[in-house]
Parts: sequence; C-alpha cells; structure tokens
Amino acid sequence: AQSVTQLDSHVSVSEGTPVLLRCNYSSSYSPSLFWYVQHPNKGLQLLLKYTSAATLVKGINGFEAEFKKSETSFHLTKPSAHMSDAAEYFCVVSEEYGGATNKLIFGTGTLLAVQP
Amino acid sequence: NAGVMQNPRHLVRRRGQEARLRCSPMKGHSHVYWYRQLPEEGLKFMVYLQKENIIDESGMPKERFSAEFPKEGPSILRIQQVVRGDSAAYFCASSRDRGNPDTQYFGPGTRLTVL
Repeated sequence: AQSVTQLDSHVSVSEGTPVLLRCNYSSSYSPSLFWYVQHPNKGLQLLLKYTSAATLVKGINGFEAEFKKSETSFHLTKPSAHMSDAAEYFCVVSEEYGGATNKLIFGTGTLLAVQP
Repeated sequence: NAGVMQNPRHLVRRRGQEARLRCSPMKGHSHVYWYRQLPEEGLKFMVYLQKENIIDESGMPKERFSAEFPKEGPSILRIQQVVRGDSAAYFCASSRDRGNPDTQYFGPGTRLTVL
C-alpha cells in the first residue's frame, strides 16, 4: 500500500534563505507524487506533480521537487523563501486503483514559517 | 474558468441535525472526490464518485454518511445526526474524465462545526 512520510512537522526559515521540506514515500508501483500547499483557512493548491517523466519537477512560485527512486524521496525545495510562502505543505501519493488512479494519500503536513 | 465550488463555506449544526455539503466540480470534470481534514491532521480520503456512480467509498464511515453525484447538479455529502466528532473541514476535489485523471483540483472546503 502506498504511503508518504513528511519528516518535519514544522520548518522555520528566514526570508531569502533556501527552503527544504522532506518527504519519503512507500509504493509498490511507480507512483504519482504531488505537493500541495494550504494557506490558512483556504483550500489546497497544487504546487507540482511527478508522473514518471522527468525526475526534477518544476512547479509554481519557484518550487521544485526531485524524485529519487533509490532514496524513495520527493523533497520540495525553493532557493529563496518569501513571506508569502508561509503555509502548510502536504506531500501526496496517488493510489493506483484498477489502472485509473483515484484516491490521494496525504502526509501529515509540514508547517512552514518564514521569518523576516 | 471557475474552479471547484463548495458551499456553504461554513456550516454550524447542533448535535442530531443533518448537514448537507455541496460540491460543483470544474467544468469538464466528471470525477469527484471528498476528503475530510480533522483538526491538526492531514486530509483523509472519504469517497470517489463519477456521474451517478459511487466508485470507491472505502473511506466513508459506515453509518450516517452518504454521498451522491447526480446526473444534473452538484455532488452532495450528507451527514445525518451529526456528532461533535464530525467537526472538521470537508474538501471536495475534481478531475477530468480523460487524459490525466489523477490531477485533482480542490475546492475551498466547508468547515463544519457541531455544537
């Protein structure tokens, strides 16, 4: 069964410094992996997704993630944090079901704080 | 191009009442998913529907919860005889019916408070 583990529940960085949010996955299949962001009291926005094409995936707002099969990791990075990046980030794997993926399996989330 | 719409955004119910949550998928999307986010937790899958069909309801509580996605109109998540433990944010997501079905787009959520 698929699962994801987000290694840090809270991460705090200074504005302008790099961001690293860690995620490890477990999957019997070639997984589809996603990062979603949730701002306070808002819905979820898709940042980026990996679906077995290029292992380095570029997303919106300067975020990117690298799929590393040997490490079963899909860490999210950004070279320079902005105050508006403060939010909760979810690493997500899609569960295969009869050949058509459907349900998403969420990690427990990482709350990113950005200090001025 | 409107995104996924959910209403109401906030819903307050007393114990024992019914809660109805509505979700209108993005235009051209015929797959709908419901997720629940309990306080301080990630989202948990509840149910997956296509038009007029429930495909996977493995995440739905066995009692009091039901979902539908009729041929016309929004998808409805219905909770009967609500209890305090039902207080949560309920998110709906939709995806297209061909091409890349595994990209789900989320609505803003309905925050249910049970008094």
